[in-house]
Amino acid sequence: DAKTTQPPSMDCAEGRAANLPCNHSTISGNEYVYWYRQIHSQGPQYIIHGLKNNETNEMASLIITEDRKSSTLILPHATLRDTAVYYCIVRGGHGGGSNYKLTFGKGTLLTVNP
Amino acid sequence: ETGVTQSPTHLIKTRGQQVTLRCSSQSGHNTVSWYQQALGQGPQFIFQYYREEENGRGNFPPRFSGLQFPNYSSELNVNALELDDSALYLCASSGRGQETQYFGPGTRLLVL
Repeated sequence: DAKTTQPPSMDCAEGRAANLPCNHSTISGNEYVYWYRQIHSQGPQYIIHGLKNNETNEMASLIITEDRKSSTLILPHATLRDTAVYYCIVRGGHGGGSNYKLTFGKGTLLTVNP
Repeated sequence: ETGVTQSPTHLIKTRGQQVTLRCSSQSGHNTVSWYQQALGQGPQFIFQYYREEENGRGNFPPRFSGLQFPNYSSELNVNALELDDSALYLCASSGRGQETQYFGPGTRLLVL
């Protein structure tokens, strides 16, 4: 699986958009970009994933660059409860084989300030 | 629809003992993955079970073993516990054709 690079920490004001960047310059054509977050001492929470196109759900938006070498997770109106470590993960194409695991880095600690 | 559950929530063992952790997968999911998360680190993949067979393994010694049952629940067994086994153990379930892994709350293991 391709390696990802994220800033170790970011701050955001409550109510503002939080934009979390991720570089994955060695991503392959069939690899997906996944985002999870982990609030202190809890299990990671799935947020969103995408292959090429931008994606949006009730939690966030995922913007993937055209060359797929980087992406941005956007939390449109951050709240204090969004304070967490955010992990950007690249994993193999769906369908079995060696794409079965998630390889976590150290993620980005997002702190939302009042 | 129930989510992924794990038991127990916390556990204290002494070095050399054996431990069994349990995981119930989310309804409709047939694949379970286990991860170990040391303090301050991201989760590390231990192994995955699909239809009761091991479907891949990370860089963990054989004293880490697992089982998956016909109802797709799973156990993680660790023998000869070492101090470094102290960690949060996470279970995640997923379904073939719907590959997103959903995590349980974890079991916090402390080895003294």
